[in-house]
Amino acid sequence: ETGVTQSPTHLIKTRGQQVTLRCSSQSGHNTVSWYQQALGQGPQFIFQYYREEENGRGNFPPRFSGLQFPNYSSELNVNALELDDSALYLCASSLGSGRGYEQYFGPGTRLTVT
Amino acid sequence: GIQVEQSPPDLILQEGANSTLRCNFSDSVNNLQWFHQNPWGQLINLFYIPSGTKQNGRLSATTVATERYSLLYISSSQTTDSGVYFCAVRRNAGNMLTFGGGTRLMVKP
Repeated sequence: ETGVTQSPTHLIKTRGQQVTLRCSSQSGHNTVSWYQQALGQGPQFIFQYYREEENGRGNFPPRFSGLQFPNYSSELNVNALELDDSALYLCASSLGSGRGYEQYFGPGTRLTVT
Repeated sequence: GIQVEQSPPDLILQEGANSTLRCNFSDSVNNLQWFHQNPWGQLINLFYIPSGTKQNGRLSATTVATERYSLLYISSSQTTDSGVYFCAVRRNAGNMLTFGGGTRLMVKP
């Protein structure tokens, strides 16, 4: 059974650019959640996708957007990058979006904005 | 939103010592998970424990949902236990995990 994978592992972008991060969910999981972890802090929820629809969103601006594909893999897109967007971006998958579903995390993508 | 507080924020142990990490939360939850984040950033699932007690080797966890806290016990600590331990909860109405600030553990040989 393959776990959650993310690509790329590291990325350096310039302020104002756009970036796309990718996540493949664990086999059989139909729900993907994205989190942002700033240095020294706990992860913060960005949004969740369930069966290709956005299914909840945290306190992030609209320039953070996402997609989920029929195979349940997902993308996180960030437009007009700001210096504060520098962080570890974590993707998690679960068997469902309701209560009782444990989330499993990928290794993360470390984004640096200069 | 729900508040999640972890204590202590930092902990230094000698190899072989035991420790207890605490997680307090401010609202009813239907999901509570404990994670260990390794130096490379990977979050490793330790326990899914919305209530009750579980044990896995040298680690055990207890959640008392009615009193809104959870405890993670580490016995006979090893240097490989070093890292950051996070508690994360999900409210009854909602689908996101809210994380605490973490406990940074260093185990010295």
